[in-house]
Amino acid sequence: EAQVTQNPRYLITVTGKKLTVTCSQNMNHEYMSWYRQDPGLGLRQIYYSMNVEVTDKGDVPEGYKVSRKEKRNFPLILESPSPNQTSLYFCASSLSVQATDTQYFGPGTRLTVL
Amino acid sequence: AQSVAQPEDQVNVAEGNPLTVKCTYSVSGNPYLFWYVQYPNRGLQFLLKYITGDNLVKGSYGFEAEFNKSQTSFHLKKPSALVSDSALYFCAVRDMDDSWGKLQFGAGTQVVVTP
Repeated sequence: EAQVTQNPRYLITVTGKKLTVTCSQNMNHEYMSWYRQDPGLGLRQIYYSMNVEVTDKGDVPEGYKVSRKEKRNFPLILESPSPNQTSLYFCASSLSVQATDTQYFGPGTRLTVL
Repeated sequence: AQSVAQPEDQVNVAEGNPLTVKCTYSVSGNPYLFWYVQYPNRGLQFLLKYITGDNLVKGSYGFEAEFNKSQTSFHLKKPSALVSDSALYFCAVRDMDDSWGKLQFGAGTQVVVTP
């Protein structure tokens, strides 16, 4: 089944404790992206990647890092999480960066930083 | 810069009645428009998109959307709502001239369908 997977689905952590949220897609997509969803704000892009080893900042990149060493994986790293990073996170992928391509989303990771 | 507005935080409709979820957009070039739905504790599911051509786009689960360039709108519609349509709906836009694939989302509209 073609899908985007994320792990973990739920995570509670404390301020300053480094964490990684994994994202993997099995559709051979070139483009991958991370979003955070907050009430009343919709989804905002954190980082995106147009292909292996090509990443760039989205609208809200502060406090986050990403890497794209393999085409299928795009982990989101929080080096020193803070409470304002408590949110629902979504990974997405699309065939390419073309504006006509549909982005497909993972199931989400709900992160709570205490 | 592109932007999307969903003017209603919540839409309430009785089962069997028509459902409309409003969306207006702003882009510098030509828009590509998308609707997604989020069911409780689930990820976003793609419903439909407008790229070019016919202004009426048909999508999944009986939904359709009408692109109106003069009003810069892309309202989502369903002729007869089901209780199972209760979910959070997001409109999103991409600019045709955008070279890095950014999808700009609206704030979302909660749809509540009552039996």
